[in-house]
Amino acid sequence: QSALTQPASVSGSPGQSITISCTGTSSDVGGYKYVSWYQQYPGKAPKLMIYEVSNRPSGVPDRFSGSKSGNTASLTISGLQAEDEADYYCSSYTTSSTYVFGTGTKVTVL
Amino acid sequence: QVQLQESGPGLVKPSETLSLTCAVSGGSISTYYWSWIRQSPGKGLEWIGYIYNNGNTNYNPSLKSRVTISVDTSKNQFSLKLSSVTAADTAVYYCARDHWGPFDFWGQGTLVTVSS
Repeated sequence: QSALTQPASVSGSPGQSITISCTGTSSDVGGYKYVSWYQQYPGKAPKLMIYEVSNRPSGVPDRFSGSKSGNTASLTISGLQAEDEADYYCSSYTTSSTYVFGTGTKVTVL
Repeated sequence: QVQLQESGPGLVKPSETLSLTCAVSGGSISTYYWSWIRQSPGKGLEWIGYIYNNGNTNYNPSLKSRVTISVDTSKNQFSLKLSSVTAADTAVYYCARDHWGPFDFWGQGTLVTVSS
């Protein structure tokens, strides 16, 4: 299974909105609602930010939102803050009953 | 609050078997699926495989021939074995709870280095 495709880096100024894309196939992203997004700081374990395409776990700021169109899922961070600077990964369930992660995106707050 | 803690050797010799255990506290392992995920230095996340309490497993096709995941419900823990390791298997290994889709609880991760 091939990793989902994400941009290597995305940047924005405080207060701006940024969007990270996650492109797969009809066998993963396009075929299931089980798309999740994770935030990871250096040296730390990933943290779940979005599940089932667009749902936020308790405690995740509503600045984070998710969506999907066809084989591409997206994570949008509105009102970008300094603490949002981190790596972000998407993941999806697949037709083989396995999981696949995205290549990862480094978000820089200018 | 569910907590996961990985344990095992931090150094494994090439061609040997990597063995890690994940202890689950704050909840029963007899619900949900439980996964192993790794991250090579400076690289992205790679899903290794999962197990359910009945022993049902599934593995990443790229690792399937070398991976075994098992569960011990009496100890509320699950384990990973990866055989015939090479330097390419050097990574931080995480265990995580699979809440039928999202990985909602993660261990802190443990670095395993493959070197002679």
